[in-house]
Amino acid sequence: GAGVSQSPSNKVTEKGKDVELRCDPISGHTALYWYRQSLGQGLEFLIYFQGNSAPDKSGLPSDRFSAERTGGSVSTLTIQRTQQEDSAVYLCASSLVAWGGELFFGEGSRLTVL
Amino acid sequence: TQLLEQSPQFLSIQEGENLTVYCNSSSVFSSLQWYRQEPGEGPVLLVTVVTGGEVKKLKRLTFQFGDARKDSSLHITAAQPGDTGLYLCAGAKGANSKLTFGKGITLSVRP
Repeated sequence: GAGVSQSPSNKVTEKGKDVELRCDPISGHTALYWYRQSLGQGLEFLIYFQGNSAPDKSGLPSDRFSAERTGGSVSTLTIQRTQQEDSAVYLCASSLVAWGGELFFGEGSRLTVL
Repeated sequence: TQLLEQSPQFLSIQEGENLTVYCNSSSVFSSLQWYRQEPGEGPVLLVTVVTGGEVKKLKRLTFQFGDARKDSSLHITAAQPGDTGLYLCAGAKGANSKLTFGKGITLSVRP
């Protein structure tokens, strides 16, 4: 497709289980970002990938969160031992250029931890 | 501490009214962006402003970047129900710095 694709669109899991969220960015976009959006909290930066550079992981809230980007394209955000406070919408965005350029967002993955 | 403060947090107006919303900070930004997000979708870029004092117009929407590049405003003329959504401002402090988002302004335009 032409836009950023995220899957699953909705995920309900039990506390303590691991989840994987996938992001397929726009072809040719070298920059990829993960944000978390909780109700009333705006967008919280999680992690940023740019080309072959080391990712900026400074926004990951705990060591239960990790992300990888394979082949400079698809990215997976993994949350281990999920907690109820992890419930949120996880948004992925890609950009042609590094920070400062237009971000193209996917529709998000809504995670509910019971 | 929120780097970018948006106000008001919620706004409900009648179709045809004008409104102005704000994005304020004590920090200087090299660029500032406004996005609109509709329910169930990701944010979509409306505008990027980079020069202090800059004014950009997008149909009925007018965006202004403060002279000191610390704040921005969005003015909507004759609001339409299609303007309903969450308006997010986002700032970058430099060419290679993170894009920081405000909490957003929820706008509802009643027919």
